[in-house]
Formats: sequence, structure tokens, C-alpha cells
Amino acid sequence: AQKITQTQPGMFVQEKEAVTLDCTYDTSDPSYGLFWYKQPSSGEMIFLIYQGSYDQQNATEGRYSLNFQKARKSANLVISASQLGDSAMYFCAMREGASGGSYIPTFGRGTSLIVHP
Amino acid sequence: NAGVTQTPKFQVLKTGQSMTLQCAQDMNHEYMSWYRQDPGMGLRLIHYSVGAGITDQGEVPNGYNVSRSTTEDFPLRLLSAAPSQTSVYFCASSTPGPPPEQYFGPGTRLTVT
Repeated sequence: AQKITQTQPGMFVQEKEAVTLDCTYDTSDPSYGLFWYKQPSSGEMIFLIYQGSYDQQNATEGRYSLNFQKARKSANLVISASQLGDSAMYFCAMREGASGGSYIPTFGRGTSLIVHP
Repeated sequence: NAGVTQTPKFQVLKTGQSMTLQCAQDMNHEYMSWYRQDPGMGLRLIHYSVGAGITDQGEVPNGYNVSRSTTEDFPLRLLSAAPSQTSVYFCASSTPGPPPEQYFGPGTRLTVT
């Protein structure tokens, strides 16, 4: 069964608008972490943001914030004030560890974001 | 500080050939991993290592072999290449944290004909 689900294969947003990319996860491990990565057309994987399962506050990094809803097992990425350079693939990933997991993240299938001028 | 390096960047193989994708990191990270990326599939874990001498299988290990004799190096061997192994391969190194850090190499684009 898929542990990370990204249900939006593609998303479009107007420049300067905010956009939310969805991610749901499945784990029975009480200690886990959630990541978001950006992959531009050049191909490199760029780390954006991390949320630990015990973190009390939602993670934020500049224009990126992670809307963490633990009971719903969702970890949506919010990009505020979209820029043309935000056009890329975005991947949600989860690592487990406390219950014998490997601490190595597993990834969702990604969401392609296109920002229109 | 080079981070995670991968060689080669591009490779074309014929079916049945073997080869080794190289991965090295200079951050003294204990954890290293190999992923493959195929269109619409995201990144799938092939093999990983939590320290020198320790390796384990990921989601899609068949047809691949790894070893970890040093902290720095984690080569991925294709034993007998098949067209289904045409993909982009990423090596990563990471720390458990908290907070965790994970760094990816630039990737190797492999085509098997």
C-alpha cells in the first residue's frame, strides 16, 4: 500500500497567488517525519521543508509552510505569493524510525506545478 | 565541500551488460540510499545503508546490488541490465536528526537498449 499519496498530478496557479499542494500519509509509527522537495526541470532535488510528528507548530520556511493535520494524516505544502520560478515538480516524502523503520524517506508520485504570469 | 557526487551523469547500456553507478559523499553521513525515478512514479527506494558494512533492500531491489565498505562510498551495481532499468538514478546521504538532513546527488540518466 502506498504510504504517501499525492492526489494532484498537476496544478496551475497565477503568479502572486497562494497554492496548496496536497499530501496524505499512512503510518502506524508514532515517530515520523514529513518532507517536501522541489524538482525543477533541471532535475536536481531541492529540500524545502520538514515537519516532525511531535513538532507542536507547523513548519515554515520563507514562502513555504506545511499545514500539518496529524489526525487527518495530511501534510499539505502551502506556497504563498507564487513566482514563475516555482514551476516544478513537488514531492512529499515520509520517513519512519521509532518502530523499526529505516529513517530513509519514501516518496509520493509528485505534483507538477505550473505558475502562469 | 562537494556534498553528494554521482558518476557518470549519462550512460547507455545494451541489454545484459553490467555496470556500477558510483556515489560518494563527504559529509560523514551514516545513511545513504539509492532511488530510481520514472515518469509518474516519483522516487522509489532501491537499496539503502545505515552505516559501513550494513545494507538493506528498499521497495524495488531486484536486479541491483550494493555494498558499503566505507562511510563515503555507496556504489550501485546493475548485474545484467534490462530495458526496464532505464531510469534516472539518484543517490542520497542523510542524517537521522533531529532535524534530519538529506542531500541528493545530481542523478545519473541510464538508458538500456
